[in-house]
Amino acid sequence: AQSVTQPDIHITVSEGASLELRCNYSYGATPYLFWYVQSPGQGLQLLLKYFSGDTLVQGIKGFEAEFKRSQSSFNLRKPSVHWSDAAEYFCACQGAGNTPLVFGKGTRLSVIA
Amino acid sequence: GAVVSQHPSRVICKSGTSVKIECRSLDFQATTMFWYRQFPKQSLMLMATSNEGSKATYEQGVEKDKFLINHASLTLSTLTVTSAHPEDSSFYICSARSGGPRGGNQPQHFGDGTRLSIL
Repeated sequence: AQSVTQPDIHITVSEGASLELRCNYSYGATPYLFWYVQSPGQGLQLLLKYFSGDTLVQGIKGFEAEFKRSQSSFNLRKPSVHWSDAAEYFCACQGAGNTPLVFGKGTRLSVIA
Repeated sequence: GAVVSQHPSRVICKSGTSVKIECRSLDFQATTMFWYRQFPKQSLMLMATSNEGSKATYEQGVEKDKFLINHASLTLSTLTVTSAHPEDSSFYICSARSGGPRGGNQPQHFGDGTRLSIL
């Protein structure tokens, strides 16, 4: 069974600073990988996804993520954080077939002036 | 595209009441829908998976008689919390995905969630 680990429960960055949120997965093959963002009291919005091909994927809101097979990682990055990026971020993976997403525990991002 | 509408966004009701939550895919056909429960400051816990026209598959520990799921069409799934009690209070989120049995290469799209409060 697959699993997802997000090592950082809470990260605080200054507005304008760069951001990297870590995600590691465990799966016997290459899974499908996703990053979602959740604002308080809201559902989840898809930021980006990796299925195959180019290991650097671009998403919405200026986010990108890089799939590294050797490290079983799919870290999310943004070069310059905006105050509106403060939210909960979930990494998720999915195995083959019509299986549901498996989520990490999430990383809460706080942005300070 | 890929909009999922969940209704209602908030419900407050008395203990013993049954509550129905609707989840609709507005611009795509959702062959598979998922229902999650989220506790404060925690991740999403999968409750059940439903394929259109089939019975839902429940995760271990989820009472299927308490949480009734219907997925009668390609655009609508409902979750009914029967005889709700205060411990059922939570944030419920639905998710929908298009594609057939090998729908794995389609992302899941999420509704905005329903905050259920049982008094």
